[in-house]
Amino acid sequence: KAGVTQTPRYLIKTRGQQVTLSCSPISGHRSVSWYQQTPGQGLQFLFEYFSETQRNKGNFPGRFSGRQFSNSRSEMNVSTLELGDSALYLCASSFGTSSSAAPTQYFGPGTRLLVL
Amino acid sequence: GESVGLHLPTLSVQEGDNSIINCAYSNSASDYFIWYKQESGKGPQFIIDIRSNMDKRQGQRVTVLLNKTVKHLSLQIAATQPGDSAVYFCAEIDNYGQNFVFGPGTRLSVLP
Repeated sequence: KAGVTQTPRYLIKTRGQQVTLSCSPISGHRSVSWYQQTPGQGLQFLFEYFSETQRNKGNFPGRFSGRQFSNSRSEMNVSTLELGDSALYLCASSFGTSSSAAPTQYFGPGTRLLVL
Repeated sequence: GESVGLHLPTLSVQEGDNSIINCAYSNSASDYFIWYKQESGKGPQFIIDIRSNMDKRQGQRVTVLLNKTVKHLSLQIAATQPGDSAVYFCAEIDNYGQNFVFGPGTRLSVLP
């Protein structure tokens, strides 16, 4: 079974631009979560999508948004980029239900975003 | 590769020794716990999990211990190897499998 894939792996943008990152979950997983990881801040939860609906949201400004498609693939968008948005953006997928299946999240390799 | 965190607690162990990484969790209602390993430049990788109705679970060279009384989780790595050098995160999940909360991470450094 293929793992979580994220594209692109690396991205360089300038302040004020916008960016879209893509995540393809493990087949059969319906939940996709996005995290921002920076040195000193650890993993910070952005939002979670389940069946094309945002189910949970972290404490990030509205410049950060996302969506999920019917095939469970997800995208996140950051508008009006700031220098502080430079980070590793991680996507994780899981079954996302309260079934007996383990709720483990499996992570992709991340997209490294550098804002200049 | 880039570093995951510059100010993480660090545990240094000699190659071949056992490692114990600790984690305190916050929600007494958390139902499920996971340990992840993150190597430089990569996403977190699942190591082992444990449900709240257990207090110990063993994997290959790893053991997770759960003490619900003091809300403490630990990861034991036997015969630590250089390839074990990484940042280790614990995560707690509610019984709906929706809310994941990650610990700050511990950097494990294996000395030759």
